[in-house]
Amino acid sequence: KNQVEQSPQSLIILEGKNCTLQCNYTVSPFSNLRWYKQDTGRGPVSLTIMTFSENTKSNGRYTATLDADTKQSSLHITASQLSDSASYICVVSAEGSQGNLIFGKGTKLSVKP
Amino acid sequence: GAGVSQTPSNKVTEKGKYVELRCDPISGHTALYWYRQSLGQGPEFLIYFQGTGAADDSGLPNDRFFAVRPEGSVSTLKIQRTERGDSAVYLCASSLGAFSYEQYFGPGTRLTVT
Repeated sequence: KNQVEQSPQSLIILEGKNCTLQCNYTVSPFSNLRWYKQDTGRGPVSLTIMTFSENTKSNGRYTATLDADTKQSSLHITASQLSDSASYICVVSAEGSQGNLIFGKGTKLSVKP
Repeated sequence: GAGVSQTPSNKVTEKGKYVELRCDPISGHTALYWYRQSLGQGPEFLIYFQGTGAADDSGLPNDRFFAVRPEGSVSTLKIQRTERGDSAVYLCASSLGAFSYEQYFGPGTRLTVT
């Protein structure tokens, strides 16, 4: 069964600190992996999209990595800001299923002053 | 430019009633997606349109759920005989084309079935 598992479920860090969120997936055949940020009461916003051949991709203070062999991805947030408080969702797409994205449950990040 | 918009933002209905949720995609986006997000969960795929046709409706939970996109732009998600378990946030997203990875999400419609 295609699944996406994320850890930790929730995380509290102090402003200015770094953190890393994890994503493991069992989706096959793999097409691409995305990280989304979802603020409370809002729709998800794309941070990064990576295909099989990409190992790392950055978007400002966000850096995503992908290991397609071990089927793991991470999202590293550098120098966290209060506005980073949100849920971060890992999403995997299977080859041949353009619309059918498999979402993780998300990691709820709280950045405290 | 304008993003994906969804109406209403909130909908409260009684069990057994019929509801319609509307999605206005970004202008020019040919692909449109519906997802359902329960509290504390990630979104769950429902249906994907490419143009006017449903390219993949494998996520619709049962025949009470139906979606249309008659002119290839605005889409309506229709739920018949609503049940309390249908309570969730219904998200709509659009993308430029069938092979465009970037999906842009709307703010969602929060449906509460009492």
